[in-house]
Parts: sequence; structure tokens; C-alpha cells
Amino acid sequence: GAGVSQSPRYKVAKRGQDVALRCDPISGHVSLFWYQQALGQGPEFLTYFQNEAQLDKSGLPSDRFFAERPEGSVSTLKIQRTQQEDSAVYLCASKLRWLSTDTQYFGPGTRLTVL
Amino acid sequence: KNEVEQSPQNLTAQEGEFITINCSYSVGISALHWLQQHPGGGIVSLFMLSSGKKKHGRLIATINIQEKHSSLHITASHPRDSAVYICAVLRDTGNQFYFGTGTSLTVIP
Repeated sequence: GAGVSQSPRYKVAKRGQDVALRCDPISGHVSLFWYQQALGQGPEFLTYFQNEAQLDKSGLPSDRFFAERPEGSVSTLKIQRTQQEDSAVYLCASKLRWLSTDTQYFGPGTRLTVL
Repeated sequence: KNEVEQSPQNLTAQEGEFITINCSYSVGISALHWLQQHPGGGIVSLFMLSSGKKKHGRLIATINIQEKHSSLHITASHPRDSAVYICAVLRDTGNQFYFGTGTSLTVIP
């Protein structure tokens, strides 16, 4: 496929479980972003990668959140010891380079529900 | 404090109506995006603006950098335009996007 893909599309976790969310960016895209979108809200920035380097993780809400992109392509967002307030749609986006003029392409998101 | 404010939050229109959604921001930006999000989550980028006006089909986006304001217009609205429209700004200090909370548009046949 030509677009950004994310898996799983839906995840239900019990409070305290660890979850891992995967993002496959468009092939060759240098920049990758993770966002968290709570119900009825706009997305909020979590973290940004340029290739394998995590250049900005200022939006990660706590140290339970961890993201990696070890080979500069696929990225994984891991949430440890999930809490109910982690329930949200997690969006991944990629863009070709790092320029502000590049378009960001969004994935369909992973809807996480923590019971 | 929200760096990006959108209005209205919710909008219901009759098919064929002209629609305007507004976005105001309070930070320095290098670009502003209008995004469309359908139920189920998928986000599509409609426009990226740094000045002036862009048109694509029935959609028109304008930006006034001095007033820190942008508008998205939909002419001859159609039920398939029903979606959430989100304004997002890219800070001029880096790669961070700030998003508005979205405008939920419903177009009734």
C-alpha cells in the first residue's frame, strides 16, 4: 500500500497491561510523528523522529510511554502499565523530509480502550 | 491555553449551503494545515497554507498571517462533506504541530 498503516486498528487492554502500537510510514519518509487524540479533541503531539533519531519527545505524557524507530522506518509506541486515561486514538503520520512545506500523511490510527 | 482555536465546534447545514469554518492561532507559524477526519479516524490533509488562498474543487482555504486567522470554505455543500475539519499549525520554531479541537460538520440532504 502507498499510505501510512497502523496496527492494530483497535486494542482493548486491561488496566495495568502493556501495549505496543505499530506504525508503518510511507516508504522513504524521513519524518515520523505520533499523536494522541482523546475523544472529541484534536490530536496532541507526542513525539517526532527523523530517521531513527527521536528528536522531540516533549509530548509524551509520562515515563510509561516509550517510542522507538530503530531502523528509521517502522516505529513502535509502547505504553506500560496502561491506565484508563490512556484511552484514545493514537495517530501516526509521516512526511518525506523534515521541511515545513512537506505534507504530513496520517495513518488510520489505533483506537486504544483501557478497561 | 489553546494555541489554536476553531469555530464553530459543531455545524449543521442543508445540502447546497455555503459553509465557513474559522481558525485563529496565537503562535508564530511556518504553515497552517486544514485536515479532514471521517468517522473511524482517517485523517486527510486538505490544504497546506503559508500565505494567501488555495482552491481545490469546492474547497477554498484562506490565511491572513497578520491577523493570525484562516478560514475554510465549502461551496455547494454535500452530505459526503460531513466530517470533522481540523486546523493545525506548524510552529516556526520546529516540527511540532498544534491542532484545533475540530469542527464537526453535518450536511443534511
